[in-house]
Parts: sequence; structure tokens; C-alpha cells
Amino acid sequence: EDQVTQSPEALRLQEGESSSLNCSYTVSGLRGLFWYRQDPGKGPEFLFTLYSAGEEKEKERLKATLTKKESFLHITAPKPEDSATYLCAVRRGGGSEKLVFGKGTKLTVNP
Amino acid sequence: DTEVTQTPKHLVMGMTNKKSLKCEQHMGHRAMYWYKQKAKKPPELMFVYSYEKLSINESVPSRFSPECPNSSLLNLHLHALQPEDSALYLCASSQAAAGASGGVTQYFGPGTRLLVL
Repeated sequence: EDQVTQSPEALRLQEGESSSLNCSYTVSGLRGLFWYRQDPGKGPEFLFTLYSAGEEKEKERLKATLTKKESFLHITAPKPEDSATYLCAVRRGGGSEKLVFGKGTKLTVNP
Repeated sequence: DTEVTQTPKHLVMGMTNKKSLKCEQHMGHRAMYWYKQKAKKPPELMFVYSYEKLSINESVPSRFSPECPNSSLLNLHLHALQPEDSALYLCASSQAAAGASGGVTQYFGPGTRLLVL
């Protein structure tokens, strides 16, 4: 069965304190791993799509990496506005359109 | 532009009411999705439309009825809902449909906050 586990469940950082969020996955024939950011009461905002092990993508203070078993979302010198829940999702092969989501990591960045 | 719009933003309805949620995208995406999200939980897939045809129904109760009038528009008709149906309802779209290896990133709308009394 496809499974996505995110850790930690919650993370508190001081402004400027870099860290990483983890997404471990088990899926049959990965056809995409997705990172989203979600603010309370709003829809998930797309951040990155990764397709193959070794792939990396960056956007401002965020960098996503992918191995055959996990993905990391690295946050460099975070700011309070980076506070949000970060969701990881995977899409399996075989033509499935369904995403399997992790439970998310709630990030709080204190000024 | 990767914008998906949803209306209304908020909806309060009684258990005997009939209401509809609307979702629109103008990105030429061929797949559209409805999700339900409860507080502090990840989104749960409800329905998928691929090329305007229903391709996935995740065993959703019949009080939820989806409709895809055209490639840009997706509706969710609500009837005789229960209080436990209160949630954030999210619409999403992706460029490619089933079987594609690329263009599968789903872009979400802002959601409709539904409260059933």
C-alpha cells in the first residue's frame, strides 16, 4: 500500500535558523513527488514537483531534494512568513491520477 | 498563470438545503479534482474528471454530486448534507490526465469553507 510519512509533525524555528523537513514514501512506481505549502483555511500552494532520484529544485529560501525513499525540504534562513503547514504527496505509476498525501509538518518561525 | 478559482468562499447550509460549489480554471488543464479537507488533516480525494468524464469516485456518498459542464468548469452539487460534512472543499486541476507521465502537478484553488447546521 502506498504510504507517505512526514516528520517532524511540528517544528519551531527562530528566524534565520535553517532546518529540513522529511518526507518518506513507499509507492509503486513513483510518477511524481509534490511539495505544497498550506496556510490555515486556504488551499495548498504548489511549491515543487520532483520526478527522479537525485533531482533538486530551489525557490527562494526553499530547496527540495529526492532520493529513492525520501524527500527533504530544506529551509535556509527562514522568515516568519514561511510559517505554514508543508504537505508532501506522491503519485504512483500505472496511470493513476490519485495523490497520496502525508499528514504535513507545521512550521512556525519566530521573529 | 496557475490560478484555480472557487466560489463561494464560505457557505452555511441546513441539512435540507440544496447548494452548489463552483470551480473554474482557464489554463487548458484536462483533469479536475474535488477534495475534502477536515481541520489538521491532509486533503482527501473525492472525485476526478479527466477530459470532462468522471474517472474516479472515491466511494463518496450520493448527497455529493459532481458535474463537469465543460473543460474549464467543475461543480459540486450538495443535497441533504450532514453536520459531519462540514469541511474545506478544495478544487484542483492538472494539465495532463490519466496515463500521462508529465504535466501531472495539481494546482489547488483557495477552497470553499462549508458549514452544515
